[in-house]
Amino acid sequence: GQQLNQSPQSMFIQEGEDVSMNCTSSSIFNTWLWYKQDPGEGPVLLIALYKAGELTSNGRLTAQFGITRKDSFLNISASIPSDVGIYFCAGQLNYGGSQGNLIFGKGTKLSVKP
Amino acid sequence: DSGVTQTPKHLITATGQRVTLRCSPRSGDLSVYWYQQSLDQGLQFLIHYYNGEERAKGNILERFSAQQFPDLHSELNLSSLELGDSALYFCASSVGGAIYNEQFFGPGTRLTVL
Repeated sequence: GQQLNQSPQSMFIQEGEDVSMNCTSSSIFNTWLWYKQDPGEGPVLLIALYKAGELTSNGRLTAQFGITRKDSFLNISASIPSDVGIYFCAGQLNYGGSQGNLIFGKGTKLSVKP
Repeated sequence: DSGVTQTPKHLITATGQRVTLRCSPRSGDLSVYWYQQSLDQGLQFLIHYYNGEERAKGNILERFSAQQFPDLHSELNLSSLELGDSALYFCASSVGGAIYNEQFFGPGTRLTVL
């Protein structure tokens, strides 16, 4: 079945640093989504990308939909402590106007550098 | 707060038992999605209902079933529970069943099977 490879699996951040993570797939997706999940809560949508090549920002977050439609990256600039959490990418196929299933990556866990 | 509510928040039960998880979508949303999140499998799509009708099925076991009622709330029924069914179960909702509908996740139900 379709799988998303998300990397890195985990990373440590220091306040003020820029962070980058990405997702790749062997399948083509029509939509890429990035979610953040805090402990004990459900995922929260950060950015949605609908067109190949699209670059979208949401505050300090920037995400891009790869030209091949098989990959996406998320950048966080000038990280702050509340950026800690687990970030998930998700790809979605759309068939003839109907919404396809969301396929999720395994997540990137952001922690604060000790 | 996404506007999606799920009950109960925690559920502890024994193998072989049956449980029902409940979800109320955001006001105005017609679609409900169920996901299972476990440590080894990550977030897996289970099933999608739109306005009372099943729209798509993912990796849902035959022991699991769901329905969406006329008031649009949804229930996920898990029967003949096994240890491996222990996981977080999320419900998400979106406005419609067509493309480009962003999904908003509830806080989840943590199921522990002993």
